[in-house]
Amino acid sequence: DQQVKQNSPSLSVQEGRISILNCDYTNSMFDYFLWYKKYPAEGPTFLISISSIKDKNEDGRFTVFLNKSAKHLSLHIVPSQPGDSAVYFCAASETQGGSEKLVFGKGTKLTVNP
Amino acid sequence: DTEVTQTPKHLVMGMTNKKSLKCEQHMGHRAMYWYKQKAKKPPELMFVYSYEKLSINESVPSRFSPECPNSSLLNLHLHALQPEDSALYLCASSQVRQGLQPQHFGDGTRLSIL
Repeated sequence: DQQVKQNSPSLSVQEGRISILNCDYTNSMFDYFLWYKKYPAEGPTFLISISSIKDKNEDGRFTVFLNKSAKHLSLHIVPSQPGDSAVYFCAASETQGGSEKLVFGKGTKLTVNP
Repeated sequence: DTEVTQTPKHLVMGMTNKKSLKCEQHMGHRAMYWYKQKAKKPPELMFVYSYEKLSINESVPSRFSPECPNSSLLNLHLHALQPEDSALYLCASSQVRQGLQPQHFGDGTRLSIL
């Protein structure tokens, strides 16, 4: 039973346009949500996060929006650049026994075309 | 350059072999994690260590045995693995503090069981 879902396996956008990656979750106990970026043959790299008590967090070209009532979050990248081409994982964090536990979605492969 | 170093990068072993995966970080992080990632699937949490003590074991079979000898090192001892254990094994580390502490990942060890 997937607690974090990324329903789009892939997304292709033109350089300079906006990329929107979506993520849905089912567990109301998640207290943070994160986006990781992964290039081939590398580990995931942390990109941006949002607390469950916020609805927006912005860092440069990257903005994450959280809609708690819909259990939905999205990552906006604007403007998109070819170097943004990677797999993006949505992850949700839950504290368990004092430790952080991350649950990942399946990922969305973003291709930014020059 | 990743700040979490995993060795070896690739490992091929038979079902009767005993081997170990190693992970090292020098960021002063006191939480360390092992994840397993199968092809086209998200990373799945296996173990969490906090202050060198095992805090989460996600019902992992006993043929995987974690060890945290000090705050910078995390090992995963492997014995009598099955072909379905072939996967990318990712190590991560993070601070242990109030609030979200993003996990930093290594590039993984790609394990093949013959």
